[in-house]
Amino acid sequence: AQKVTQAQTEISVVEKEDVTLDCVYETRDTTYYLFWYKQPPSGELVFLIRRNSFDEQNEISGRYSWNFQKSTSSFNFTITASQVVDSAVYFCALSEDRGGSNYKLTFGKGTLLTVNP
Amino acid sequence: DGGITQSPKYLFRKEGQNVTLSCEQNLNHDAMYWYRQDPGQGLRLIYYSQIVNDFQKGDIAEGYSVSREKKESFPLTVTSAQKNPTAFYLCASSRPDRGYEKLFFGSGTQLSVL
Repeated sequence: AQKVTQAQTEISVVEKEDVTLDCVYETRDTTYYLFWYKQPPSGELVFLIRRNSFDEQNEISGRYSWNFQKSTSSFNFTITASQVVDSAVYFCALSEDRGGSNYKLTFGKGTLLTVNP
Repeated sequence: DGGITQSPKYLFRKEGQNVTLSCEQNLNHDAMYWYRQDPGQGLRLIYYSQIVNDFQKGDIAEGYSVSREKKESFPLTVTSAQKNPTAFYLCASSRPDRGYEKLFFGSGTQLSVL
């Protein structure tokens, strides 16, 4: 069975600090996809990144970066120089693609990030 | 602008009452989904639909019903059989229903029991 663990329930930082959100996953499949979504106070989840299991390159997008390590089954998310607008709940999710429509998307429980001015 | 519209934003249910949550999308997406979010919990899939006039149960379908008569619309009914309906409900869509597809979400409906 697949599982996503976000061990950090809440994180509080001061603006301009760097912060890393942890995500550890479990799956028996060799082909899978990992996602990060952001849920601001408005409620809707916003897609941030997708990574497939065959692409272990780290990615940087502005102040955001992602570190995918298959050896440790982790897909961590780092925000550099955090800003108040980064305050949100962040979800990590895992999808196993078995072809057709036979897949399951599993979300972690989320990490509430509060960035204080 | 394309997107997903959920209404109402807040909804209150009386004991024994059925209530319907609306979800409309103009993204021309084939697949639509309903998720339930409880405080401090991840999202759990209630129902999903890959095409019009077809839908499948998710992990927690008991006490809920859906319809998909139009591509743009996927309403969710919370029936009286759902004994613990208080939660935040999120509707989502994607192009096809595939594991690599990212989801687009609405802004949610908070359902509470009076």
